[in-house]
Amino acid sequence: DTEVTQTPKHLVMGMTNKKSLKCEQHMGHRAMYWYKQKAKKPPELMFVYSYEKLSINESVPSRFSPECPNSSLLNLHLHALQPEDSALYLCASSPLTSGNTGELFFGEGSRLTVL
Amino acid sequence: AQSVTQPDIHITVSEGASLELRCNYSYGATPYLFWYVQSPGQGLQLLLKYFSGDTLVQGIKGFEAEFKRSQSSFNLRKPSVHWSDAAEYFCAVNRGGSNYKLTFGKGTLLTVNP
Repeated sequence: DTEVTQTPKHLVMGMTNKKSLKCEQHMGHRAMYWYKQKAKKPPELMFVYSYEKLSINESVPSRFSPECPNSSLLNLHLHALQPEDSALYLCASSPLTSGNTGELFFGEGSRLTVL
Repeated sequence: AQSVTQPDIHITVSEGASLELRCNYSYGATPYLFWYVQSPGQGLQLLLKYFSGDTLVQGIKGFEAEFKRSQSSFNLRKPSVHWSDAAEYFCAVNRGGSNYKLTFGKGTLLTVNP
């Protein structure tokens, strides 16, 4: 199983809603990532979890709240978002073997629209 | 700080023609280099990677890339492009070790004419 699975594929929410994006991998990878990608731009790193602990937060606004319940799951909780937060949210994972090469395995993404 | 430059924002080729997408990186040592492809509305798929050893690396879908240390380049090539290759291509670099930050280039959009 070499997949990273993200749900939902599409999400439309109002600015007062609370929703969550989910990500799952069963490759035994111990690093998991959230990226945000706007149209015609490269992915931008948001958060990194390493061994289920938050390692990197790229100064992301608190209306985005990540959670890593176990080594296979990664959530992104969304609350009080703004229309400019509309984007493709990509989850990725990577193995943490010695000499981490940084190779990422990406999911298909969740397309978020904030009205 | 490491950086990646993809000089071409948009390239158009005819189906069956050869392709070369350029990528230059800035980093003191030899970094770990990657090419990813992204079809519209999809995630990123790894095409190939270079860590060390043979400087010509083969990837999936008939792609190859050559690492040239003297030019700080890692250009992606394909001898004959198919219409299904139309997509966005991202070059990326990571300095390895415990660094989790993959630095992406801005991407090159490939259009394939029939």
